[in-house]
Amino acid sequence: DAGVIQSPRHEVTEMGQEVTLRCKPISGHNSLFWYRQTMMRGLELLIYFNNNVPIDDSGMPEDRFSAKMPNASFSTLKIQPSEPRDSAVYFCASSTRRTMTNEKLFFGSGTQLSVL
Amino acid sequence: SQQGEEDPQALSIQEGENATMNCSYKTSINNLQWYRQNSGRGLVHLILIRSNEREKHSGRLRVTLDTSKKSSSLLITASRAADTASYFCATGQGAQKLVFGQGTRLTINP
Repeated sequence: DAGVIQSPRHEVTEMGQEVTLRCKPISGHNSLFWYRQTMMRGLELLIYFNNNVPIDDSGMPEDRFSAKMPNASFSTLKIQPSEPRDSAVYFCASSTRRTMTNEKLFFGSGTQLSVL
Repeated sequence: SQQGEEDPQALSIQEGENATMNCSYKTSINNLQWYRQNSGRGLVHLILIRSNEREKHSGRLRVTLDTSKKSSSLLITASRAADTASYFCATGQGAQKLVFGQGTRLTINP
């Protein structure tokens, strides 16, 4: 099993540019989560999907952020336009949703985003 | 705001010693999980303890949960240099929503 795969590993962009982060969850997992990690705010849940449907996007900071999951094996997190305060490590995680309670998450290696 | 709060924020011990980290939370939970994060990497799940459990073991890890005090502890026995990492507790709130604490940075000195 290849695990959760994120790309790119590092992204450096200029303020105002569009940024697209990509995630491939573990095959067979039906839940996908996007987290953001910063020194100041720690790990924040941005949005999560069940069976490709967005369930809770209350953590998305503002309208500049959007996430999609067009199929079970792919998700994107887009920031348009990007701002320096968006600089962070963005993690994707997946899990199997067998019960109504929380299952353990499998994390990708993250995308280090720097907005100049 | 983060639900789980780890204590201490940083811990430095000698190899072979035991390391204890604590986590406090505020609301009712389904379960509590502990994760490890090595520098520059993603988080790795260590152990899950359900709200009706009081103690759980996995290898050199021992986790306790006290729902009356809304707290949990993670004990790593006979620490090794490879245990150097950040450790996070995560509380399960509602269906699937995991909220992470700020983490404890553990350093094992050889």
